[in-house]
Amino acid sequence: DAKTTQPPSMDCAEGRAANLPCNHSTISGNEYVYWYRQIHSQGPQYIIHGLKNNETNEMASLIITEDRKSSTLILPHATLRDTAVYYCIVRGADYKLSFGAGTTVTVRA
Amino acid sequence: DGGITQSPKYLFRKEGQNVTLSCEQNLNHDAMYWYRQDPGQGLRLIYYSQIVNDFQKGDIAEGYSVSREKKESFPLTVTSAQKNPTAFYLCASTVDKYSNQPQHFGDGTRLSIL
Repeated sequence: DAKTTQPPSMDCAEGRAANLPCNHSTISGNEYVYWYRQIHSQGPQYIIHGLKNNETNEMASLIITEDRKSSTLILPHATLRDTAVYYCIVRGADYKLSFGAGTTVTVRA
Repeated sequence: DGGITQSPKYLFRKEGQNVTLSCEQNLNHDAMYWYRQDPGQGLRLIYYSQIVNDFQKGDIAEGYSVSREKKESFPLTVTSAQKNPTAFYLCASTVDKYSNQPQHFGDGTRLSIL
């Protein structure tokens, strides 16, 4: 199963774009990349997912490199409410999601 | 609104007691999942169910049991055999196991030992 590597923490200024990196160098050709975030004491919230093309929705953009070994989640205009733990996940061959420790993002005023 | 409802939000268990956590969804999803989260860590899969009357063990099933008698409901019982039950429990669902559609989560139940 593909594993992901994320930085443990990062800060971002309010109103600026937040770029969250994720490495998944062992990803297989048909495995999707999913991004979730979790605000303290709540369930994980789905953000976006993609296979090979870049994706955008009302919450974020997902940029996947051409070799698919890494991706970047972009929050275009970070707000204080975006402070959360962000998880990058590649679903395994057994269709399970494996959540690591994620990246703790702190948006500062 | 469609979604996943977990109850109760907080639960306390006495030594030797079994407790049951509720998870209900009205999304018409076939697949449902139970995860456990310990402080500062990611989620670990306890059990999952692809269809009514069928379920599979996840990575940490010991001390837990589940049932899936209805499509909408997937209750989790934390038995007295689970020696360290204090954790945040999360239920999720998705269209089906094989779909690339994402799992959606409830707001969790926080279980503590009295």
